[in-house]
Amino acid sequence: GAGVSQSPSNKVTEKGKDVELRCDPISGHTALYWYRQRLGQGLEFLIYFQGNSAPDKSGLPSDRFSAERTGESVSTLTIQRTQQEDSAVYLCASSLWLAGEPDTQYFGPGTRLTVL
Amino acid sequence: GENVEQHPSTLSVQEGDSAVIKCTYSDSASNYFPWYKQELGKRPQLIIDIRSNVGEKKDQRIAVTLNKTAKHFSLHITETQPEDSAVYFCAAEFSGGYNKLIFGAGTRLAVHP
Repeated sequence: GAGVSQSPSNKVTEKGKDVELRCDPISGHTALYWYRQRLGQGLEFLIYFQGNSAPDKSGLPSDRFSAERTGESVSTLTIQRTQQEDSAVYLCASSLWLAGEPDTQYFGPGTRLTVL
Repeated sequence: GENVEQHPSTLSVQEGDSAVIKCTYSDSASNYFPWYKQELGKRPQLIIDIRSNVGEKKDQRIAVTLNKTAKHFSLHITETQPEDSAVYFCAAEFSGGYNKLIFGAGTRLAVHP
């Protein structure tokens, strides 16, 4: 079946502009995660959604970052007033939720964000 | 705080040799430890994972060991091949079971023919 998809694949923006990144999870996956990966570095957890529970926003680096998810489908990550340090690849992952047991997270291809 | 340390940051081996990557984690409540492989410009792909109720898991040339007492786990790749060249990330689940993963910084493995 279809994997996790993200759009756009690349985004170049000017400092101070807002950007919106989109993630389409695997159908039936109730859990959705956003990560940030700076060049040559590991994955940094940003936010997590699971069903109708309140999202865990503990990884969001500042109040310029926000994310929404409609039901158990599409999620958007919004970065307001972008800064050069926001330049990174933003990865989305989704997983099944199996009654208290974590299941495999499947990653999308990422959106490469460049802030000039 | 939540932390996963990964070593080495780079690893170079000859084809056919073994490669070992080690990770330590800070949260003794962590119960799930996946390993991801990321090729240049591509998304991370799960290669193996282990849960805290076992000490070792194998899948062909790949094995993972877990020592919960010492809070460390390792990835072992035997009979390495050039196509094993990639960045490998370990991760540990934090915050009590909802799969919030904290990743190590990655190991760049180069397998030379």
